[in-house]
Amino acid sequence: AQTVTQSQPEMSVQEAETVTLSCTYDTSESDYYLFWYKQPPSRQMILVIRQEAYKQQNATENRFSVNFQKAAKSFSLKISDSQLGDAAMYFCAYRSAGYTGANSKLTFGKGITLSVRP
Amino acid sequence: EAQVTQNPRYLITVTGKKLTVTCSQNMNHEYMSWYRQDPGLGLRQIYYSMNVEVTDKGDVPEGYKVSRKEKRNFPLILESPSPNQTSLYFCASSRKTGTGRGEQFFGPGTRLTVL
Repeated sequence: AQTVTQSQPEMSVQEAETVTLSCTYDTSESDYYLFWYKQPPSRQMILVIRQEAYKQQNATENRFSVNFQKAAKSFSLKISDSQLGDAAMYFCAYRSAGYTGANSKLTFGKGITLSVRP
Repeated sequence: EAQVTQNPRYLITVTGKKLTVTCSQNMNHEYMSWYRQDPGLGLRQIYYSMNVEVTDKGDVPEGYKVSRKEKRNFPLILESPSPNQTSLYFCASSRKTGTGRGEQFFGPGTRLTVL
């Protein structure tokens, strides 16, 4: 079974600075997706960024980018120019790319609470 | 607008009183799933459905039932709720795995309190 580990429960960053959130995962599969979801106080789950395992290029979405290290099974999220609206809980998640029922779920880490200091 | 809807958004009930949380999606997705979120545990899958009339247990199915009679709807049923089912519940949908971009689309969540 796949596992996702987010070892830091909380982080803090100064507004306009850069912060990196860590995530490691364990799998025996070679084809999969990785995601970062943001959960603001509204509790809505918002997709921040996705990475396909077969793509070597790291995904980027505006101020958000990832450092995907497949061999190390590491998937960190970098937030540049942090804004007050970035304050939220962030979840790292894994999903198999194969068409199998039991492996179609998202496997989540426990999440990290990010606070942004003005 | 493409979306997943859940109702109710908030519910306080008592032990043993049957309840249903509805979930509906308008994206013609084959795959639907229920998760529960608890502090310090992240989100865990309760049940999932690969298509109409095809459902199966996730990681924490005890005390829950589901049905998938129509492609768009996937209700979560608690026939005899207990306090340990107090949680935040999310419904999610996606195209079947092996197609699309892999991401699941989430509903707004249902905060359930069982007294």
